[in-house]
Amino acid sequence: QKEVEQDPGPLSVPEGAIVSLNCTYSNSAFQYFMWYRQYSRKGPELLMYTYSSGNKEDGRFTAQVDKSSKYISLFIRDSQPSDSATYLCAMSVWAGNNRKLIWGLGTSLAVNP
Amino acid sequence: DAMVIQNPRYQVTQFGKPVTLSCSQTLNHNVMYWYQQKSSQAPKLLFHYYDKDFNNEADTPDNFQSRRPNTSFCFLDIRSPGLGDAAMYLCATSRNTDTQYFGPGTRLTVL
Repeated sequence: QKEVEQDPGPLSVPEGAIVSLNCTYSNSAFQYFMWYRQYSRKGPELLMYTYSSGNKEDGRFTAQVDKSSKYISLFIRDSQPSDSATYLCAMSVWAGNNRKLIWGLGTSLAVNP
Repeated sequence: DAMVIQNPRYQVTQFGKPVTLSCSQTLNHNVMYWYQQKSSQAPKLLFHYYDKDFNNEADTPDNFQSRRPNTSFCFLDIRSPGLGDAAMYLCATSRNTDTQYFGPGTRLTVL
C-alpha cells in the first residue's frame, strides 16, 4: 500500500461546478499537507498549505484535513476552464534531520466551457 | 518576478553526452532540491542541498550529480544520459525544509 493514495482520474466537469479532489494517507507522522497545481509541461505551483485538521479557505479554493480519518480534500468552487490541470497532494514528514515530501500521483482535472 | 528560474526550459542531448541543467532562486532559501518527473507520475526526489550539505536519495543513480556553488544557484549534471533519463527535471527551494516552491522545469529529451 502506498503511503499516499490519490485517484488519478481523469475528472471532467462543466464550468461552474464544484470540484472535490481527495487523498488518503496511512502515515500518522505526516505533519503538513499541501496541494499543488501543475499545468501541462510546467512545474508544480503551491495552492494550499495546512498543518491542522479543519478547513482553510483561499478564494475559490478550500483545503480540508481530517487527521483522524487520514483524509485530505481540495474543493474548487465555481470551477473555470483555467482550472484544468493536474492537482497533486503532498505531505511532509521528518526523514532524518530534514522534512521530505511524499506525493500523491495527481488527479487530472478538465473543466469544460 | 520569477522566484525559481530554470535554464534551459528545453534541452535535447544525445545518448551518453553529458548535460548540465541549472537552477537559480531569488528567495534566499537555504534548501534546494532536484526532482525528476516522468509523464503521469509524481515528482521523484533525486537529492537536495541543505545549505552546503548534500543529501542524496538512496535510489538516485550515480549518473546524477549536483553542485551548489552558492546560495542562489544549483546545477544538475547527468554524466551519461540514457533514454530512460528523458523526463522533466524540477528544481525547488524551501526555507529549512518547509514549504517547497518549484521552478518551471527543464524538459530533457535524449536522442
